[in-house]
Amino acid sequence: GAGVSQSPRYKVTKRGQDVALRCDPISGHVSLYWYRQALGQGPEFLTYFNYEAQQDKSGLPNDRFSAERPEGSISTLTIQRTEQRDSAMYRCASSFNQEGYGYTFGSGTRLTVV
Amino acid sequence: AQSVSQHNHHVILSEAASLELGCNYSYGGTVNLFWYVQYPGQHLQLLLKYFSGDPLVKGIKGFEAEFIKSKFSFNLRKPSVQWSDTAEYFCAVKGSGGSYIPTFGRGTSLIVHP
Repeated sequence: GAGVSQSPRYKVTKRGQDVALRCDPISGHVSLYWYRQALGQGPEFLTYFNYEAQQDKSGLPNDRFSAERPEGSISTLTIQRTEQRDSAMYRCASSFNQEGYGYTFGSGTRLTVV
Repeated sequence: AQSVSQHNHHVILSEAASLELGCNYSYGGTVNLFWYVQYPGQHLQLLLKYFSGDPLVKGIKGFEAEFIKSKFSFNLRKPSVQWSDTAEYFCAVKGSGGSYIPTFGRGTSLIVHP
């Protein structure tokens, strides 16, 4: 597509439920990044992929968070047993190559856990 | 590890005033530097970036930034702001020879009064 597409745009879920957030990167982009952004803060790195390989997941806060990109295109960030502190804007970005050329963000998914 | 500090969290200006937003980074090697803008209700967009060469970088909408290596700074400037520049501004740094993951500052909220 023309840009990085994330869905859903907004998600409200009850505490304890699992959620899956989707990112569809720009076609042909090798690298895909997930960030979390709390209100009043900058984006905080979670994990990233080159093709289908997860290169770094050091930013995932705990084992309730996982991500995959099985075919090297669309990626899913899954949060199990959600907690209120998981409420944030979850942003995806993709880049043409590993050096970050053409780095572009999606619109984000606003997750609210009630 | 790389880090970014944006000193001004909230800036309020009148139209036609000059703007300078501070950004300092910490990283031991060669860096790539970015400024992103997020207009109300929209996603993060790239304003400008520095990879190498001329340390004075010109971006979209009349913005520019100067990389001063000795000061570890990459301040954003605009000679005359407009009401439409009201947005959140984020500085980011990425090690060009190591980590490919940009680290973001916490952002500066700019409000321009007409």
